[in-house]
Parts: sequence; structure tokens; C-alpha cells
Amino acid sequence: AQSVTQLDSQVPVFEEAPVELRCNYSSSVSVYLFWYVQYPNQGLQLLLKYLSGSTLVKGINGFEAEFNKSQTSFHLRKPSVHISDTAEYFCAVTRRGNAGNMLTFGGGTRLMVKP
Amino acid sequence: DTGVSQDPRHKITKRGQNVTFRCDPISEHNRLYWYRQTLGQGPEFLTYFQNEAQLEKSRLLSDRFSAERPKGSFSTLEIQRTEQGDSAMYLCASSTTLGQGASEAFFGQGTRLTVV
Repeated sequence: AQSVTQLDSQVPVFEEAPVELRCNYSSSVSVYLFWYVQYPNQGLQLLLKYLSGSTLVKGINGFEAEFNKSQTSFHLRKPSVHISDTAEYFCAVTRRGNAGNMLTFGGGTRLMVKP
Repeated sequence: DTGVSQDPRHKITKRGQNVTFRCDPISEHNRLYWYRQTLGQGPEFLTYFQNEAQLEKSRLLSDRFSAERPKGSFSTLEIQRTEQGDSAMYLCASSTTLGQGASEAFFGQGTRLTVV
């Protein structure tokens, strides 16, 4: 089984400042990792994913994340946030391989960008 | 294709009533998932179909819940004898099966259920 912990439930930040949203996972098997964003009353949209290869992955809207196997972390970063980045962000994992790929999500981090 | 579509977007029902939700996945996607999301929490997996076969169900899926995907296209999720604890956002997602690696799951906008 897998579990995901997002260490911060809310992150307030001023516009144009950098931000990091933290994610740690636990799993007895190798996993793929994802970050999703959810705007109010909307479904989830994929920001980025780590399947293999380079541990630094770039996603949409200027976001990037780094996979750290030894620390079992997959923190999300953006060098300069915009008001429009205000949303809920979810880290998720699924076990490697092609069987099902059901996602296990963290509890979410609400990013609040202030002018 | 406009993505994953869910209907209705909102449903208010009285406790004890039955409700049914529909999900239309992206047309070429053979995998379909249902998740439940309560306020302030991340989505939790409920069940998964590959084509018309229901291959996995979470322990969260009590006997009052049933899901179908009769022709491997759209899916329905029915909740019988609704309880207040069933109030949540129900999310549907679909994906393809790739030869290697995990394909991206595309989510619908969800159905928000309120049981009064």
C-alpha cells in the first residue's frame, strides 16, 4: 500500500515570490509520482509527472518538481507565482507497472497567492 | 472530444433516497476510475474498470454502492439508501493503457452530492 503526506495544508505567499509545496510518500513498491491542481468547483488537472529518468521534471504553468528517492519526497516548486496560481494542489502516487494505476492522493495544499 | 464528462454536476437528495451518477470518459480510453473527495481532503479511490470489467474495488465501497460500465464506454455509480456521510464530490477519471509506464488520468469536473 502507498500513502502520501503533504506537510502544509495552507501556504500563503505574495505574488512573484517563489514557492515550494512539500510532498512525502511511503510505499513498499516502486511508484510513479504526480502533482495535480484543482481550481474551485473543478476537477483535477495534471501539472506534471515522474515516471523515470531525470529526477527534475517540468510541468505546465512554470511548475517543476524534483524526485528524491532517498528522502521519498517529490516537492513542487515555482520560482515566481501569480494570482492565478491560487488553487488546491495534490500530490499523488501509483505503483509502477501497468496494472490499474489507481492513484493515492495526499490531503492537499491550498496555495493562496496574495497581491 | 471535450474530455471526461459527468452528470449531474450537483445533486441534493434526502437521506434514504437512491441516486445515480453518470460518467462519459474520453472516447478512446479503456480505463475508468471513480474517486470520492470530501471537503478539505484529497480524492480517495473507489473503483476501477478496464473496458467493461470492474477489476478493483476499495474497501470504502460499501454494499450500498454499485458501479457499472456495461459496454465499456460510459459508467454509472449508484448509491442506495443515501446517508449524510455520503455527501462528497464524486470524481470520474479515464486513461489509456500504455505498453510501458503510467498514462495520465484525465478527470471530470465531478458530481457534488449533498444528502440532507
